[in-house]
Amino acid sequence: QQQVKQSPQSLIVQKGGISIINCAYENTAFDYFPWYQQFPGKGPALLIAIRPDVSEKKEGRFTISFNKSAKQFSLHIMDSQPGDSATYFCAGGSNDYKLSFGAGTTVTVRA
Amino acid sequence: GAGVSQSPSNKVTEKGKDVELRCDPISGHTALYWYRQRLGQGLEFLIYFQGNSAPDKSGLPSDRFSAERTGESVSTLTIQRTQQEDSAVYLCASSWVSGSGTEAFFGQGTRLTVV
Repeated sequence: QQQVKQSPQSLIVQKGGISIINCAYENTAFDYFPWYQQFPGKGPALLIAIRPDVSEKKEGRFTISFNKSAKQFSLHIMDSQPGDSATYFCAGGSNDYKLSFGAGTTVTVRA
Repeated sequence: GAGVSQSPSNKVTEKGKDVELRCDPISGHTALYWYRQRLGQGLEFLIYFQGNSAPDKSGLPSDRFSAERTGESVSTLTIQRTQQEDSAVYLCASSWVSGSGTEAFFGQGTRLTVV
C-alpha cells in the first residue's frame, strides 16, 4: 500500500524555469512532510520540510505548498539551475518515526 | 565520522549466498533505520532501531532478512539465501532521536546485485 503518491516520474526544465513536483497522501496521521534530494550514487539528503499547520514554506529557491483538505503538497523549484538536477522524494511521517516515501521524481535542468 | 557510512558500496553475490551489509551511524545518534530502494522506486522502510533494540521490524520482507545493532552504534543487515528480487540499494539512516520531524541523515547506500 503506497501511502504517498508522487508525480511526475520525471521532468525536464530549462535553466531559469520552474520545476513543480506534486504529492498526495492518504494517511491523515501524517504530521510531517519532508522533501529529500538525491544525487546519483549518494544517499537522500533533507531539502525542506513542512508541518500541516502552515500552507507554505519557503527556503531560498525551494517552496513547499501544502493543502491539508486535499491531502496534497508540492515542491516548487524557482529559477531552476543545472545543479538542481537530481531525484526528489516527498515523504510523510507521523509520531511513529517511520517515513513513507513517494516513488521519486527525476528532475533534469537543461542549460 | 562526519556522516553515515555504509559498506560495502557495491556487492555482487550469487543467488543463494548470504550477505552482510554494514552501517556506521553518526556518533551519538540513537535512532537508526534501514530502507530499501529498488530501481526507479521510492524508499521502502525495513527496520528501525532505538538504541540496540528494534521496536519495529515490520518492513523486513521475509525471515531471510535480519538486522542487529550493537553498542548503540554499528548495525548489520543480513540477507540469507539471497534471491534476485533482493537486488536493490540498501540505505541506512540515523537521527538524534526518533519521532516525527527529526531529520534523518542517510548514508550513500550499498548497491546489492544478486546474479
